[in-house]
Amino acid sequence: DAGVTQSPTHLIKTRGQQVTLRCSPKSGHDTVSWYQQALGQGPQFIFQYYEEEERQRGNFPDRFSGHQFPNYSSELNVNALLLGDSALYLCASSLVPAGVSYNEQFFGPGTRLTVL
Amino acid sequence: QKEVEQNSGPLSVPEGAIASLNCTYSDRGSQSFFWYRQYSGKSPELIMFIYSNGDKEDGRFTAQLNKASQYVSLLIRDSQPSDSATYLCAVFYSGGYQKVTFGTGTKLQVIP
Repeated sequence: DAGVTQSPTHLIKTRGQQVTLRCSPKSGHDTVSWYQQALGQGPQFIFQYYEEEERQRGNFPDRFSGHQFPNYSSELNVNALLLGDSALYLCASSLVPAGVSYNEQFFGPGTRLTVL
Repeated sequence: QKEVEQNSGPLSVPEGAIASLNCTYSDRGSQSFFWYRQYSGKSPELIMFIYSNGDKEDGRFTAQLNKASQYVSLLIRDSQPSDSATYLCAVFYSGGYQKVTFGTGTKLQVIP
């Protein structure tokens, strides 16, 4: 059973550039959430995709956008990169059956983005 | 006030002792609570979740939830050096929208 996968593992960009990160959810999962984790901090929720639509969004600017494909995989795009965007970007997948109130998420290995 | 608060630590315990990790949350509508373990440079790994008041045990780990006090804890019995990591508390709320909020994590050091 494949877990959550992310690519690339590491990425170095310069300010002003654009970046695309990719995520494939755990087998059987249909919901993908993206998080940003700065050094020494907990993951900060960026947004969540379900049925190819952005369902929830955290407090992140429009420079952060995403997409979910019919096979449930997802992309995170960040435009006009800033130094402060340097972080570990985590993808988490989940499946919330009807009538269940919890949201057990499984994380991928993350993509380490460095903006110079 | 932060939505989910944890003591950043580090919390140092000797090998074989009980480690007690605490978390408080501000949203009374929060429904379920998760503990993740994160080794340095790695992604969070789910250890346990709990959504009913009381205790939930899984091996050496016990999660405790008190919704009236808005408090959740994780006990690790017979702590091992391999338990040394940062422990993240996450709170899930579903009230017309789904939201998961993480604390900043508590760093645990188990001393051999």
